[in-house]
Amino acid sequence: NAGVTQTPKFQVLKTGQSMTLQCAQDMNHNSMYWYRQDPGMGLRLIYYSASEGTTDKGEVPNGYNVSRLNKREFSLRLESAAPSQTSVYFCASRDRPRWNTEAFFGQGTRLTVV
Amino acid sequence: AQSVSQHNHHVILSEAASLELGCNYSYGGTVNLFWYVQYPGQHLQLLLKYFSGDPLVKGIKGFEAEFIKSKFSFNLRKPSVQWSDTAEYFCAVNANSGGYQKVTFGTGTKLQVIP
Repeated sequence: NAGVTQTPKFQVLKTGQSMTLQCAQDMNHNSMYWYRQDPGMGLRLIYYSASEGTTDKGEVPNGYNVSRLNKREFSLRLESAAPSQTSVYFCASRDRPRWNTEAFFGQGTRLTVV
Repeated sequence: AQSVSQHNHHVILSEAASLELGCNYSYGGTVNLFWYVQYPGQHLQLLLKYFSGDPLVKGIKGFEAEFIKSKFSFNLRKPSVQWSDTAEYFCAVNANSGGYQKVTFGTGTKLQVIP
């Protein structure tokens, strides 16, 4: 019952460093998402991938890039980390084209940029 | 653009008290509605969902929500809360946005239940 798996769970970066957050799902879902969660702001969509081979910007894409490596995996990259990117990052997946389905979330990655 | 408003940011209740968390959304078309719960240190889990049919939806752990289309609301209720309900609750709306089914989350309500 793995569902959505994110790595790492915790990370501390220095300003300007780069890193990639990994996400994999084993539910054969078509759509995958990256959100960031900040206090008082709920979840905001960074990028999404409606299906394998496609990616699109969400509400807050600046400073991030994504790769949909295959149907299972969707990675989020920070090329030059900034303190404003300190947040908890959640990956989610959802079945498509059946749109009346819920999203399943990973355990989250707590990222601190100092 | 669709949006979701959760009126209460922080709610404190004693055990056995009744709970109602407000959620209003703005979108003129067909929507799917969700409530997610996030227990401390954990990921989001689905509490309940509304797609169509009976507007009163029952979820896990005794939670229910009522979809009132005329009020664009989907309030979450529980008759008697327990200490284990301490968590953050998120309302979410799924609607069609440029051909893509976009899910928008509210800012969340932190519920603290005092024994």
